[in-house]
Amino acid sequence: EVQLVESGGGLVQPGGSLRLSCAASGFTFSSYWMSWVRQAPGKGLEWVANIKQDGNEKYYVDSVKGRFIISRDNAKNSLYLQMNSLRAEDTAVYYCARVNIVVVPAAIGQRRLFDYWGQGTLVTVSS
Amino acid sequence: DVQMTQSPSSLSASVGDRVTITCRASQSISSYLNWYQQKPGKAPNLLIYAAASLQSGVPSRFSGSGSGTDFTLTISSLQPEDFATYYCQQTYSTLGTFGGGTKVEIK
Repeated sequence: EVQLVESGGGLVQPGGSLRLSCAASGFTFSSYWMSWVRQAPGKGLEWVANIKQDGNEKYYVDSVKGRFIISRDNAKNSLYLQMNSLRAEDTAVYYCARVNIVVVPAAIGQRRLFDYWGQGTLVTVSS
Repeated sequence: DVQMTQSPSSLSASVGDRVTITCRASQSISSYLNWYQQKPGKAPNLLIYAAASLQSGVPSRFSGSGSGTDFTLTISSLQPEDFATYYCQQTYSTLGTFGGGTKVEIK
C-alpha cells in the first residue's frame, strides 16, 4: 500500500525556518517525481515545488523561489522541504504528493498526475 | 503562467442531480488537465486525468471532457458522498496550477 506521511509542521515566527519531511512507502520512491502542494486555511490548492527522480531537476512557484528548497533522499525514501524566511502568507497545510506519469492511448505525449497524497502537515507563521 | 478559472465557485444540488463544473485555461493546454475531489480535512483525491480518463477505483458517474482551453467535470447522478470541493489542475507547464475550486453543497 502506498503511503506518504508528512511531518515537521508547527508554529514559527515570521523570518524563521522550518523543515518538512515526507516519508514514503509501498512503492519504488526513486522512480517518481515528487511534489509539495500547499493549501492556506479556507483557500484552494497551490503547487509549491517538484523534484525529479534523481534530484537533479527542481522547480518552484515564484512566491517561494530563493526561500524554499526541495530535496530528497532516495536511500531513506524521503522527501524534504526546507522553508526559510517564512512569511505569514506561507501559513498553510503542506501536502507531499507522488507524481505519476502515464501514457494515454488517445493523447499525444505523457500526462502527469498526482495519484497519492499525504495527510498534510500544518505550518503556521505568526508572532 | 497558465491560469485556471473554475465556475461556478459553489453550487447547491440534490441527491440524484446531474452536476457540471467548468474549468477554463488562459491558453491552450491540450488535454493536460486533471480533476480532484477534496473533502474537509482530507487530502485531495484524483478523479480524472488527461481530461477524460477515469482514475482506477473512481465511480463511473464521474466523467470529464474537453480539450484546448475548455473542460468540464460531470457527475451524472449526485450521491451523498459527492458533496465536496472539486479542483481542476493543468499539467501543461512544469509547475502546474490549480483552479480556484468548486464547492458542491447539499440543497
